[in-house]
Amino acid sequence: AQSVTQLDSQVPVFEEAPVELRCNYSSSVSVYLFWYVQYPNQGLQLLLKYLSGSTLVESINGFEAEFNKSQTSFHLRKPSVHISDTAEYFCAVSENSNDYKLSFGAGTTVTVRA
Amino acid sequence: EAGVAQSPRYKIIEKRQSVAFWCNPISGHATLYWYQQILGQGPKLLIQFQNNGVVDDSQLPKDRFSAERLKGVDSTLKIQPAKLEDSAVYLCASSLPWDQMGEQYFGPGTRLTVT
Repeated sequence: AQSVTQLDSQVPVFEEAPVELRCNYSSSVSVYLFWYVQYPNQGLQLLLKYLSGSTLVESINGFEAEFNKSQTSFHLRKPSVHISDTAEYFCAVSENSNDYKLSFGAGTTVTVRA
Repeated sequence: EAGVAQSPRYKIIEKRQSVAFWCNPISGHATLYWYQQILGQGPKLLIQFQNNGVVDDSQLPKDRFSAERLKGVDSTLKIQPAKLEDSAVYLCASSLPWDQMGEQYFGPGTRLTVT
């Protein structure tokens, strides 16, 4: 069965600084990987996903994540954050052997300060 | 396009009482999910429906939790009787039937507090 570990529960960062959120997964088969974001008082929204092809995937608001099969990682990065990026970020994995059910990490809270 | 609707947004009950949550998925989404998100943890799948049939309820505590999706559209999740450890946010999500590897669309959730 798959599992997801988000290594940082809280990440404080100053505006315009870079940020990296770490995500590692364990699975014995091919996986699909996702990052969801939850802004304060809102539901979870898909930020980006890796299904196949290029290992580097990007979102429309400047985030990117790279699938590293040998490291079993899917870290999320942004070179310059804004106050509006303050949110909780969840890494999730699904695998075809488990009917594509999502398993989520515990989440990383990003707080951007001016 | 309207998103996933959930009600109520907040509910406070005493232990041993019963409670019900309602979810209306995005129109045309055949797959519906209920998740439990305990504070400090990621969402955990409780039950998955495909139309009005249950695909997976292996994580649903069936002695106290029940869910139905009678007409393959909206769904109700019930807890009876509630325990203190049921305090959590209950999330409903939906997806297109051919998009199981892709995006799930989440509602705002119902925050349940059991005292």
